[in-house]
Amino acid sequence: DAKTTQPPSMDCAEGRAANLPCNHSTISGNEYVYWYRQIHSQGPQYIIHGLKNNETNEMASLIITEDRKSSTLILPHATLRDTAVYYCIVPERSNTGKLIFGQGTTLQVKP
Amino acid sequence: DVKVTQSSRYLVKRTGEKVFLECVQDMDHENMFWYRQDPGLGLRLIYFSYDVKMKEKGDIPEGYSVSREKKERFSLILESASTNQTSMYLCASSQGGLNSPLHFGNGTRLTVT
Repeated sequence: DAKTTQPPSMDCAEGRAANLPCNHSTISGNEYVYWYRQIHSQGPQYIIHGLKNNETNEMASLIITEDRKSSTLILPHATLRDTAVYYCIVPERSNTGKLIFGQGTTLQVKP
Repeated sequence: DVKVTQSSRYLVKRTGEKVFLECVQDMDHENMFWYRQDPGLGLRLIYFSYDVKMKEKGDIPEGYSVSREKKERFSLILESASTNQTSMYLCASSQGGLNSPLHFGNGTRLTVT
């Protein structure tokens, strides 16, 4: 897998946008960037993924830099229920679907 | 929405018992996966399957086996449970390919005493 680097933790005020960064400087041309999150004691939840263009869905937005070496996950109006560990993952090229989860970013949304 | 269902949320077994963890997905996905998650070690892949009756070892297959007799069902088997297999077990499925996210179940917390 392309190596990803995320800050270990971040805080965000409730109602404000949460911007979670991820570096993936060794990403290859056909590799997607995926974001998942895991709320305590639950299975990981898929959030969003993208290749080159910015993406938006009902949960979040994904901004990928033009050189594709980094990306930012944006939760536009964070709530207390968004407190979780967020994982940025670039799956291996051969893609059997195997994902390698790093340590992620623990996002704490505060009232 | 994709639904991945794991048969048990919590399970307590004794050392030496044979343990079956069941997982069912309802989206006709080709690929299915079993991970375990431990504090400080993150998610580690045990086995995966990309077709019925096909299986491949992940990073930590020792002490485990799997069965995929039907497309929607993927079972993880602990042949002789040991205390070091106490963990959270997570099943996932995906359609396959680079542009295909994984969808996870809510996990089975297994305690081996």
